[in-house]
Amino acid sequence: TAGITQAPTSQILAAGRSMTLRCTQDMRHNAMYWYRQDLGLGLRLIHYSNTAGTTGKGEVPDGYSVSRANTDDFPLTLASAVPSQTSVYFCASSDSSAGELFFGEGSRLTVL
Amino acid sequence: RKEVEQDPGPFNVPEGATVAFNCTYSNSASQSFFWYRQDCRKEPKLLMSVYSSGNEDGRFTAQLNRASQYISLLIRDSKLSDSATYLCVVSSGAGSYQLTFGKGTKLSVIP
Repeated sequence: TAGITQAPTSQILAAGRSMTLRCTQDMRHNAMYWYRQDLGLGLRLIHYSNTAGTTGKGEVPDGYSVSRANTDDFPLTLASAVPSQTSVYFCASSDSSAGELFFGEGSRLTVL
Repeated sequence: RKEVEQDPGPFNVPEGATVAFNCTYSNSASQSFFWYRQDCRKEPKLLMSVYSSGNEDGRFTAQLNRASQYISLLIRDSKLSDSATYLCVVSSGAGSYQLTFGKGTKLSVIP
């Protein structure tokens, strides 16, 4: 079982360009999340979705948008990238009643 | 006061040692507590949940003290493979989107 698949694994992006990080899960989990992880700051929630068709803002949502058209996919879009969005991005999912998060392997994004 | 605080370490311990990590949280209404493990340049993975009565999984023991609002993780007989960053995670209420991660404590087990 693949679990959570993220793409791309790594990307260098020019400032001002748009970018979509893809996330797909095959566990039929209701809830999905996007986190960013920065040295010294830990994991911070960007956006989440408790179920298909709904999304919500996390701790650091500015500059990012998400959609949840179906259960399996939860893409994260940067409309106009800035250098401060250089980070490692993790997608995660959970059976919301259990609390355990399953993470993808991460997408390392560098904005120049 | 930050919501979830951990000593960042690093903790450098010899093989076979016992090491303990503490984590404090600020929200007294927090409902669920976890320890995650993250290897270098890898994704976090659940190590164990933390229950009010305390719980043990092999060499790992987790404790919760609600009155003092702290969680602990004890690792006995440390192995080289235990080297990782340990993340304290607190859920503030119903619904996993309210999980807050500590910044992690780095452990290096030395031969």
